[in-house]
Amino acid sequence: GESVGLHLPTLSVQEGDNSIINCAYSNSASDYFIWYKQESGKGPQFIIDIRSNMDKRQGQRVTVLLNKTVKHLSLQIAATQPGDSAVYFCAERGSSNTGKLIFGQGTTLQVKP
Amino acid sequence: ETGVTQTPRHLVMGMTNKKSLKCEQHLGHNAMYWYKQSAKKPLELMFVYSLEERVENNSVPSRFSPECPNSSHLFLHLHTLQPEDSALYLCASSQGWGEGDGYTFGSGTRLTVV
Repeated sequence: GESVGLHLPTLSVQEGDNSIINCAYSNSASDYFIWYKQESGKGPQFIIDIRSNMDKRQGQRVTVLLNKTVKHLSLQIAATQPGDSAVYFCAERGSSNTGKLIFGQGTTLQVKP
Repeated sequence: ETGVTQTPRHLVMGMTNKKSLKCEQHLGHNAMYWYKQSAKKPLELMFVYSLEERVENNSVPSRFSPECPNSSHLFLHLHTLQPEDSALYLCASSQGWGEGDGYTFGSGTRLTVV
């Protein structure tokens, strides 16, 4: 069945370092991917998205990389700050005839001062 | 303000109670969703409404009953819940079902069933 997974449940980084959060997906027909950030007590917030016809997309301090060959998605955060501490989810849209997003389990990013 | 507002933020209810969760979106979106978020699990899709019609029901027990009176409002009616139903219930909306971009989420209702 469709599933989206993340490699590590927890990632701890030093403030100022770069963070890389990884995600593996299983449905090669997925055409759209999103990264969400969820802070304590809040709902998930959109960070960045990428469509399957792209390999890389950059935002402010964040970059998403998509490797369709190995069905791998990553989120890179440059110069990680304490405010980046949160749970990060990847999500995929499984097929073109449904808007359903399938979410991974989440990686908790801890930023050490 | 995310544009999606959920009330109440916290709810404690007994197993014999009936309560309702409310979601309102101010974004002009046509699709709305209920998700359940339990500890250590991925977000579980419960229901999808597109233009006020239910388009997906993910094998959710009948003790959860959704209602979508218009494209801006979504309710989740709860009755005779079980302790394992305790979770964060998230509402989300999107431009349209099967279209374009991702969801905008509310902050959720933290439900505790005692």
